[in-house]
Amino acid sequence: KNEVEQSPQNLTAQEGEFITINCSYSVGISALHWLQQHPGGGIVSLFMLSSGKKKHGRLIATINIQEKHSSLHITASHPRDSAVYICAVRSNYQLIWGAGTKLIIKP
Amino acid sequence: DAGITQSPRHKVTETGTPVTLRCHQTENHRYMYWYRQDPGHGLRLIHYSYGVKDTDKGEVSDGYSVSRSKTEDFLLTLESATSSQTSVYFCAINPGRGPSAANEQFFGPGTRLTVL
Repeated sequence: KNEVEQSPQNLTAQEGEFITINCSYSVGISALHWLQQHPGGGIVSLFMLSSGKKKHGRLIATINIQEKHSSLHITASHPRDSAVYICAVRSNYQLIWGAGTKLIIKP
Repeated sequence: DAGITQSPRHKVTETGTPVTLRCHQTENHRYMYWYRQDPGHGLRLIHYSYGVKDTDKGEVSDGYSVSRSKTEDFLLTLESATSSQTSVYFCAINPGRGPSAANEQFFGPGTRLTVL
């Protein structure tokens, strides 16, 4: 079993929909990262959080340390949000990566 | 933009040939990483460096070697490329002051390597 599991693996939605991507982990962590990888391949860090919630524009990331779970939400989704969203946790000086969630937003 | 470049961006080579990928950074960061990314897998750490001439293995280091003779350059070498090493390779830096620092990693643009 992977130490970091993301769901769903693939998600297709219509423009304007509220999107939720989930990340569950089984190890003790000091921080959790959400990253975005666009079709061109570049990887960009979106959030790093260790508790509570962070918001940046239409993106919201939450983490529940007790439940070992994090969610990434996108409000008023847009086709330019189409990308792979990757969760990674920092545990014992390592980064452990999820396999990613491929999001497609249709106009 | 953390000033990270990778070269080449694309390479096609034949099985058994040596290949060297270069990661270059302009910000003098101490920690640098090489990952590979394959369909169905998360990013997997190949090797990392915590300073000039200081490197260590990651989870998928077999078949790869690295060198860091200058702070700004971290080289990944496939001594004898195999088809299983066809992948996209990402370099990353961590601007933190220690390995336990919960800092964001910044990524290079990636190198797409195909081994025929």
